[in-house]
Amino acid sequence: GESVGLHLPTLSVQEGDNSIINCAYSNSASDYFIWYKQESGKGPQFIIDIRSNMDKRQGQRVTVLLNKTVKHLSLQIAATQPGDSAVYFCAENLGNTPLVFGKGTRLSVIA
Amino acid sequence: SAVISQKPSRDICQRGTSLTIQCQVDSQVTMMFWYRQQPGQSLTLIATANQGSEATYESGFVIDKFPISRPNLTFSTLTVSNMSPEDSSIYLCSGKAGGLQYFGPGTRLTVL
Repeated sequence: GESVGLHLPTLSVQEGDNSIINCAYSNSASDYFIWYKQESGKGPQFIIDIRSNMDKRQGQRVTVLLNKTVKHLSLQIAATQPGDSAVYFCAENLGNTPLVFGKGTRLSVIA
Repeated sequence: SAVISQKPSRDICQRGTSLTIQCQVDSQVTMMFWYRQQPGQSLTLIATANQGSEATYESGFVIDKFPISRPNLTFSTLTVSNMSPEDSSIYLCSGKAGGLQYFGPGTRLTVL
């Protein structure tokens, strides 16, 4: 991933293509991971989660992959639609502690 | 699930003044949190709001600057005190229920 500064990394994809958004997490002890979608002017919305005892989980059009060896998460969106345009954040959690958010990626869908 | 609302949704304030942001959850949540999101950046945790006791602040955030109340299981307030332009940001309330963490729509604060 890129250094964020004032600018989020941006991923541009053609409508109908698949999108892959990557995230590196920081705490090897984290046992729960979530992907959130944040549209302009709104708070983050839950997309999909995965526990550390799994390496893949599928939802409707979305798949999350977890690689604990390299502390890496990815979110795959199938058949990307204009409504998928948003900022996507991964978040990690350990027990009852609050979520710690990754840097975020802006997904831009080209119609 | 939990639906979280915040008031105000946005405000423009003069430096040196204070603003209190209210957060209301439509159901009981076990934990409530306040985050800050600066333009184009990720969410940073300010503090965990504890019911009936002092909030637990993260490194870099202090009670004098960001006093927080949580009088019951569904309501919390965050005050941004003695504001400066550097406090311009989106402030987000969050609640944890059933293992999931939900977010309010945010309060967009601009300090002149």
